[in-house]
Amino acid sequence: DAGVTQSPTHLIKTRGQQVTLRCSPKSGHDTVSWYQQALGQGPQFIFQYYEEEERQRGNFPDRFSGHQFPNYSSELNVNALLLGDSALYLCASSLYVSGANVLTFGAGSRLTVL
Amino acid sequence: SQQGEEDPQALSIQEGENATMNCSYKTSINNLQWYRQNSGRGLVHLILIRSNEREKHSGRLRVTLDTSKKSSSLLITASRAADTASYFCAATGNTGGFKTIFGAGTRLFVKA
Repeated sequence: DAGVTQSPTHLIKTRGQQVTLRCSPKSGHDTVSWYQQALGQGPQFIFQYYEEEERQRGNFPDRFSGHQFPNYSSELNVNALLLGDSALYLCASSLYVSGANVLTFGAGSRLTVL
Repeated sequence: SQQGEEDPQALSIQEGENATMNCSYKTSINNLQWYRQNSGRGLVHLILIRSNEREKHSGRLRVTLDTSKKSSSLLITASRAADTASYFCAATGNTGGFKTIFGAGTRLFVKA
């Protein structure tokens, strides 16, 4: 059973460019959450998608947007990249069971903005 | 802002010793989870404790929760070199939706 897969694993962009990151959730999971993790920091919640809609959003600007497809896979888009957007972007899928969401993470997409 | 704050930020112990990490959070929670991360890779879920539970065990892991103090602790007994990793607490609130918010983490180094 495949877990969460993310692509690409590494990418380099320049300031002002746009990037799209992709995530396929674990089989059976219907919820996808995205996190940004700067070096040496904890993951920061970007947003969560459920039933193809953004259900929750963290404190991130509108440059960060996402989408969830009918097969539950998801994309994270970041426009007008800034140097500070350099980070590990983590996708986590989950299924709400017994009153809790346990997150299954992918290995992440490491974005470097030059 | 992050929901959980871990203490200490870093911990270095000898193999065989116990490691204790603490976490404090700010708002009412539905549950609190602990995750582990090796060298900037994806996080792995370790254990979940619900707001109506006080203690939970899983193998060499013991988690406690004190909702009156808004704090939790993770104890790893008989540490091994393979336990070297970053450990994060993550809180899911009981209001405002289903998001899970992570702390800054404790970096554990177990010396062989």
